[in-house]
Amino acid sequence: DAGVIQSPRHEVTEMGQEVTLRCKPISGHNSLFWYRQTMMRGLELLIYFNNNVPIDDSGMPEDRFSAKMPNASFSTLKIQPSEPRDSAVYFCATSRGGTDTQYFGPGTRLTVL
Amino acid sequence: DQQVKQNSPSLSVQEGRISILNCDYTNSMFDYFLWYKKYPAEGPTFLISISSIKDKNEDGRFTVFLNKSAKHLSLHIVPSQPGDSAVYFCAASYYSNYQLIWGAGTKLIIKP
Repeated sequence: DAGVIQSPRHEVTEMGQEVTLRCKPISGHNSLFWYRQTMMRGLELLIYFNNNVPIDDSGMPEDRFSAKMPNASFSTLKIQPSEPRDSAVYFCATSRGGTDTQYFGPGTRLTVL
Repeated sequence: DQQVKQNSPSLSVQEGRISILNCDYTNSMFDYFLWYKKYPAEGPTFLISISSIKDKNEDGRFTVFLNKSAKHLSLHIVPSQPGDSAVYFCAASYYSNYQLIWGAGTKLIIKP
């Protein structure tokens, strides 16, 4: 069984550019989480979807960040415009239900110059 | 305010010996605790969990102990193997809540 798939694995962009991160959840998993990991703040939950519906987006830093889940097989996290302080590793994780074990993708390392 | 704390950024242990990783929490409402393991350039991987109704859970070489009165849990790895070298994260949640509160992680280095 394929695990959580994230793309790209690495992204280097310039300040002001739009960045789109992608996630394909494990088949049959109904919950999807986007996390950000930085040295200063550790792992932070950005947004949580259940059955494709955003349930909690209180962790999204500001309006520059948006996330969508158009269907059960795909989610995106978009940053527009990007800033150097957005540089981090972004993880997507999925689970069968909201309280079940979360399985993480390999992450996308974003560098904004 | 950090609700889940891993006070040791790193720990070095001889291969074959016991590794003990510690985690403290401040919120007495937490009733479910997890340990995840993370290798470089990979996402965290679930290792073991414990509910607050237990004080110990064992899975092979890994045992998690929970001391509710001290708000403290620990992960024991016996015997330690080179493949155990990784960053270990402690996380906590309310049993009926999806949100995990994460510690900062402890880097475990197993010396041959």
